[in-house]
Amino acid sequence: GAGVSQSPSNKVTEKGKDVELRCDPISGHTALYWYRQSLGQGLEFLIYFQGNSAPDKSGLPSDRFSAERTGGSVSTLTIQRTQQEDSAVYLCASSFRSPGYRGADSPLHFGNGTRLTVT
Amino acid sequence: AQTVTQSQPEMSVQEAETVTLSCTYDTSESDYYLFWYKQPPSRQMILVIRQEAYKQQNATENRFSVNFQKAAKSFSLKISDSQLGDAAMYFCAYRSRDDKIIFGKGTRLHILP
Repeated sequence: GAGVSQSPSNKVTEKGKDVELRCDPISGHTALYWYRQSLGQGLEFLIYFQGNSAPDKSGLPSDRFSAERTGGSVSTLTIQRTQQEDSAVYLCASSFRSPGYRGADSPLHFGNGTRLTVT
Repeated sequence: AQTVTQSQPEMSVQEAETVTLSCTYDTSESDYYLFWYKQPPSRQMILVIRQEAYKQQNATENRFSVNFQKAAKSFSLKISDSQLGDAAMYFCAYRSRDDKIIFGKGTRLHILP
């Protein structure tokens, strides 16, 4: 697609329910990142993927959070048993990285985010 | 683990003046990338400028330039001739050798007409 697509754009859920947030990166982008942004705050790193692998899951706030990426493309962030403190905007970004640390790369391209509200 | 610190939550500058946003980071790596991203009210993140740590020359993009001090682990952004469209949240970011990218908490920049 033309850009990074995230769905849904807004999600209101009841405390204790599970939610799935989807990210469709730009075609050909090898790296995919998930961040959380609370109102007026910075970007909190959650997880990133190189292809289908997640080298660093250290940012996931608790074991209620999980993410996967399939086919080197679409990624899903799942939050189980949602809590009110999970309310935030969840941003996905992708970029192209060729092999090698100084290989060619692109800037991060961000989606418009999913605004999650837990009531 | 790497950290990125932006110590100025908010700043204001008069239109046409120059402003400098501060960023410091902590790392044990010697090779990495640094970035400044802009987030206007639309919430869409826009890359402003990037710096490779192995390059001593400071990056410049039109009215935007950086002061990269590797030994001090400092990476400030200078905006010259500030314009109303520069009003936004600015984030400093660090990319490690394993491609993890972390952001600071941001600095909200106000442009005064």
